[in-house]
Amino acid sequence: IAGITQAPTSQILAAGRRMTLRCTQDMRHNAMYWYRQDLGLGLRLIHYSNTAGTTGKGEVPDGYSVSRANTDDFPLTLASAVPSQTSVYFCASSDHSGSGSNEQFFGPGTRLTVL
Amino acid sequence: GQNIDQPTEMTATEGAIVQINCTYQTSGFNGLFWYQQHAGEAPTFLSYNVLDGLEEKGRFSSFLSRSKGYSYLLLKELQMKDSASYLCAAMDSNYQLIWGAGTKLIIKP
Repeated sequence: IAGITQAPTSQILAAGRRMTLRCTQDMRHNAMYWYRQDLGLGLRLIHYSNTAGTTGKGEVPDGYSVSRANTDDFPLTLASAVPSQTSVYFCASSDHSGSGSNEQFFGPGTRLTVL
Repeated sequence: GQNIDQPTEMTATEGAIVQINCTYQTSGFNGLFWYQQHAGEAPTFLSYNVLDGLEEKGRFSSFLSRSKGYSYLLLKELQMKDSASYLCAAMDSNYQLIWGAGTKLIIKP
């Protein structure tokens, strides 16, 4: 693995179903993020994790949950999907080591459609 | 509140220069980022400014004025491959990025 991977690439889901989007990074970054991107809107932060074992809520957390059991993985779960959760989901990571720009690196995205 | 403003769309000619402006309001400030995003792809990092002034990186330059809450991205010698969305993002006091909606840049031959 080089960088960040996400799975699946795309998914069509029936409303009410549970779904987990997977995200894995191999850069040993301490911080990870989940965003959704909708047409005409900027990237909106769903949840984040500054370090393994901790998570926090972003701008639009309702209907989503995350866990950070280790440094590399940061799955996003939709407990009961609704059509308004149709979006493109990006996972990102950054190194909050106190040096550098705290640049965020993005995964390729998951295109989710909820019917 | 926190807010990022940038134009929705701009058009420029191949070989020309274009400047994309961004104004921001955040709770605290830890830097200004520009990202490029081609259609259907993930954003990729272009530049980071935390001090006032101009940072040059090849054909791309980025400027920051902290006192004015203002930044711009300057693209020179435009190429067709520069057709993309350009995202401005400011890092707040919690080191979270606040994102603009992006500027779609259309390059015409």
